[in-house]
Amino acid sequence: DVKVTQSSRYLVKRTGEKVFLECVQDMDHENMFWYRQDPGLGLRLIYFSYDVKMKEKGDIPEGYSVSREKKERFSLILESASTNQTSMYLCASTGGSYQETQYFGPGTRLLVL
Amino acid sequence: AQSVAQPEDQVNVAEGNPLTVKCTYSVSGNPYLFWYVQYPNRGLQFLLKYITGDNLVKGSYGFEAEFNKSQTSFHLKKPSALVSDSALYFCAVRDMAGGGADGLTFGKGTHLIIQP
Repeated sequence: DVKVTQSSRYLVKRTGEKVFLECVQDMDHENMFWYRQDPGLGLRLIYFSYDVKMKEKGDIPEGYSVSREKKERFSLILESASTNQTSMYLCASTGGSYQETQYFGPGTRLLVL
Repeated sequence: AQSVAQPEDQVNVAEGNPLTVKCTYSVSGNPYLFWYVQYPNRGLQFLLKYITGDNLVKGSYGFEAEFNKSQTSFHLKKPSALVSDSALYFCAVRDMAGGGADGLTFGKGTHLIIQP
């Protein structure tokens, strides 16, 4: 079974702090994604990566950056957390074919005070 | 640009009755279509997908979905609902005309509530 893990289930941070969210997948997938989920808005794509050290902006990249130094690991970075970044963050991965399913991690619920 | 609409925020169904969760999409090319389910405080679990071929797709937990190209719809169905089916359901699309391994576009989700 595909396994996507996220470093924390719940996080509480203060405004202005630098926040790291880590995601690891064990299926040797080329592509990895970060989404945020908000009530009534569904999931929105923040960034994705199709290879090590490669990244592409999604629909809402402002205020975020990412890092992919190893194939299995994709990090989301909030350089200076703000209260409007309070959300559920979901990581996903998939293989190289467009037909393949995206598999999701359990999510990190981030609260910025 | 691709988009997905789930017109109902909430669907209420009595246990044992058939259920339908609606989804319509818009893409410039041909679509890949997906349904996911999310239980409280959990990530998304894959239910089923349409890539090509038979318009009726069968998935996990007895769910199925019908692809209708003329109506640009991909409604999720189940013949007999269970209380344990109560969850948040997301429809998603990827446009085959898009280049690169970009992400899915999701609908806003539909809360399915099965009443005993």
